[in-house]
Amino acid sequence: QKEVEQDPGPLSVPEGAIVSLNCTYSNSAFQYFMWYRQYSRKGPELLMYTYSSGNKEDGRFTAQVDKSSKYISLFIRDSQPSDSATYLCAMSSTGANNLFFGTGTRLTVIP
Amino acid sequence: DGGITQSPKYLFRKEGQNVTLSCEQNLNHDAMYWYRQDPGQGLRLIYYSQIVNDFQKGDIAEGYSVSREKKESFPLTVTSAQKNPTAFYLCASSIKREGGFEQFFGPGTRLTVL
Repeated sequence: QKEVEQDPGPLSVPEGAIVSLNCTYSNSAFQYFMWYRQYSRKGPELLMYTYSSGNKEDGRFTAQVDKSSKYISLFIRDSQPSDSATYLCAMSSTGANNLFFGTGTRLTVIP
Repeated sequence: DGGITQSPKYLFRKEGQNVTLSCEQNLNHDAMYWYRQDPGQGLRLIYYSQIVNDFQKGDIAEGYSVSREKKESFPLTVTSAQKNPTAFYLCASSIKREGGFEQFFGPGTRLTVL
């Protein structure tokens, strides 16, 4: 079993839709959870960083962490064509320098 | 502008040749990393370095080598022992944040073996 599982998609939505992206994990020691956005042939860029459980909001993006279910989500409101990219979840445990990545979900927002 | 630079952007190699990928950062980060990205497999850690003159193997270090002589630089050599080197290579550096580490990535190098 992989430590981090992520549905690879692809996921296509109309412009303006709410997008939900999810990851599950198996290691209960994970405390730090991140979402990266990666455009084609580019390096990943950090979107959201959360510690432990709860919600964090930044503009149109909301990250949720449910440690009891070992489940994290990224919601994108009012999705735009410029949101079309691959979204990677990543996580780590306290003090650990290494990240564990999901395989990424490819999202396309159709105008 | 602070950031991570990788060069070259595209690299072509003949079988049996060693090649070196460059990674430079001016963020003053202590830790640096090399990942390999293949379609459908996400990012896999090759090597990482937490301080100058020290580095550790990641999950897929076989066929690769690194050095860390300067804080700013962490070059990766893909040797002829790497059986399937065609991939997208990403360099990253990190800072400590709230007990964890936030990683920043470079733009990547796409290596193709001919």
